Amino acid sequence: AQKVTQAQTEISVVEKEDVTLDCVYETRDTTYYLFWYKQPPSGELVFLIRRNSFDEQNEISGRYSWNFQKSTSSFNFTITASQVVDSAVYFCALSAFNSGTYKYIFGTGTRLKVLA
Amino acid sequence: DGGITQSPKYLFRKEGQNVTLSCEQNLNHDAMYWYRQDPGQGLRLIYYSQIVNDFQKGDIAEGYSVSREKKESFPLTVTSAQKNPTAFYLCASRPLDGSNTGELFFGEGSRLTVL
Repeated sequence: AQKVTQAQTEISVVEKEDVTLDCVYETRDTTYYLFWYKQPPSGELVFLIRRNSFDEQNEISGRYSWNFQKSTSSFNFTITASQVVDSAVYFCALSAFNSGTYKYIFGTGTRLKVLA
Repeated sequence: DGGITQSPKYLFRKEGQNVTLSCEQNLNHDAMYWYRQDPGQGLRLIYYSQIVNDFQKGDIAEGYSVSREKKESFPLTVTSAQKNPTAFYLCASRPLDGSNTGELFFGEGSRLTVL
């Protein structure tokens, strides 16, 4: 069975602090994809990053960075020098090909509050 | 601009009534999805469709119905058989031609409240 666990329900930080959002996944598939999405108050989920199971390179995009470790089945997301605009719910998701289509499994989300 | 439009944004329903949530996309995407989001839970798949006139049940399809008569449209009907319909509903889409990296594109959601 596939599963995505985001153990942190809510995190509060003060602006300019660094913050890491944890994501642990379970799958028996050898080929799979991992995603992070941001859900601002407006409601729609905004795509941030995708990683495939064969690419364990860490990635940095501006203040955002992602650490993918297959050995621990984790795909953690770090925001450096957080800003108030980073306040949102963040979802980690797993996707694998199953029964003729890609199925997406989402974690329960982590609500990040960045205080001014 | 290309995107996914969901309407209405807010909807109130009396118990026993069916309601239909609209989802329209002008991204020319083949696959469309409906998810339900409840507080403290992740997104759960209701239905998905990969081609016109074909759709498949997701994990929580009971009490819901869909149609896919046009590529750009994938309406969701919440029937009176759905025991706990109050939730936030999200529509998503993605192409199937390998042109993107697999991510889903989402609408802004519809919040349904049963009175």
